[in-house]
Amino acid sequence: QLQLQESGPGLVKPSETLSLTCTVSGGSISSSNYYWGWIRQPPGKGLEWIGSIYYSGSTYYNPSLKSRVTISADTSMNQFSLEVNSVTAADTAVYYCARRGGSRGWFVVDSWGQGTLVTVSS
Amino acid sequence: QSVLTQPPSVSGAPGQRVTISCTGSSSNIGAGYDVYWYQQLPGTAPKLLIYGNNNRPSGVPDRFSGSKSGTSASLAITGLQAEDEADYYCQSYDSSLSGSVFGGGTKLTVL
Repeated sequence: QLQLQESGPGLVKPSETLSLTCTVSGGSISSSNYYWGWIRQPPGKGLEWIGSIYYSGSTYYNPSLKSRVTISADTSMNQFSLEVNSVTAADTAVYYCARRGGSRGWFVVDSWGQGTLVTVSS
Repeated sequence: QSVLTQPPSVSGAPGQRVTISCTGSSSNIGAGYDVYWYQQLPGTAPKLLIYGNNNRPSGVPDRFSGSKSGTSASLAITGLQAEDEADYYCQSYDSSLSGSVFGGGTKLTVL
């Protein structure tokens, strides 16, 4: 059974870089059937796509975050990562790693990590 | 402001039927892209409820159904149960943004 697990600091200072890693088990991020991505949810608010990466290395970023976001993958470790630079309090959120794609549709998110809260504060 | 518009809240008594709307535009739902629905119970990650507009993954009760028409989609829940109290999100693809978009979410309260 596929499992995704986020890891990284829960507290980041303003203007610094937020870095998270998602470790995937029970499936391979090298599969051509899926994209692997990040979604965030500010406290008490809705979901926002951050971006995703394909096994080939191609990436998609939300235009509103594109200038500050980098998603990368380490296929040898079966992990993918997120970096958001120059963070502000507005980046405080629960960050989910997720898998999208497969037979149910190219854009459907069928697996989610449990989420990790990242707070931006000095 | 979300690209897909949902009502902030809906409510219903146990056993009743409720619907949650998701209104988009010609660059997403109206362009023919599939709509997906997710259920988020308090303190948990979202869970896929409906894919391909009206299909349920195995394990999702048939009390949940989806539909799509024009630039809008709807999620219907019949035989409302206390355990259905959650936040519900619609999602689609937007060609103008070249990416996935979510609705703002709807909080369902079971009275």
